[in-house]
Amino acid sequence: GQSLEQPSEVTAVEGAIVQINCTYQTSGFYGLSWYQQHDGGAPTFLSYNALDGLEETGRFSSFLSRSDSYGYLLLQELQMKDSASYFCASGAGSYQLTFGKGTKLSVIP
Amino acid sequence: DTGVSQDPRHKITKRGQNVTFRCDPISEHNRLYWYRQTLGQGPEFLTYFQNEAQLEKSRLLSDRFSAERPKGSFSTLEIQRTEQGDSAMYLCASSFVRTRDEGNEQFFGPGTRLTVL
Repeated sequence: GQSLEQPSEVTAVEGAIVQINCTYQTSGFYGLSWYQQHDGGAPTFLSYNALDGLEETGRFSSFLSRSDSYGYLLLQELQMKDSASYFCASGAGSYQLTFGKGTKLSVIP
Repeated sequence: DTGVSQDPRHKITKRGQNVTFRCDPISEHNRLYWYRQTLGQGPEFLTYFQNEAQLEKSRLLSDRFSAERPKGSFSTLEIQRTEQGDSAMYLCASSFVRTRDEGNEQFFGPGTRLTVL
């Protein structure tokens, strides 16, 4: 089985940097993905780490450490539109994704 | 719009009725997934198709649930004898997978919100 743990809520100020952590316990782990979901919207893919290290995509970066069973999503230069829920997900074994419960990010002025 | 579409967007039904949802994936995608999401939770995997073959089903998918993907194009998810516990958002996603890494980028539709009274 798989389980992914992430904080339920995070609040940060516009223009700041925020890090959302994810720890996982899986059998046959195969990479960590991050998805964003605005209220009432569909999840949208942000990033994927198959190997240890940092992946950067614009203002968003994602990090993975397999030895620590840990990853994080880093959001820089926060904007109000970044207020959303962020999910880490693992695609261990087969192609289905197991999602964490999500972190609700609130960006305040 | 060439994204994933789902129909209907909302469905209200009475307990015991049957409902059917449709998902149209991105046309060149070979994999189609169904997830269920309840308030405050992440999406939970239900089942997925590789072209027209249903390859995996979650333990969450009871005998009342059935999914099809005829001809490897659109998919339907049917719930028979609905129960109040079936109330949730039902999400469809698709992806084009040639390597295992590519399966992690899935494109989600807007979902069908089911309310069972």
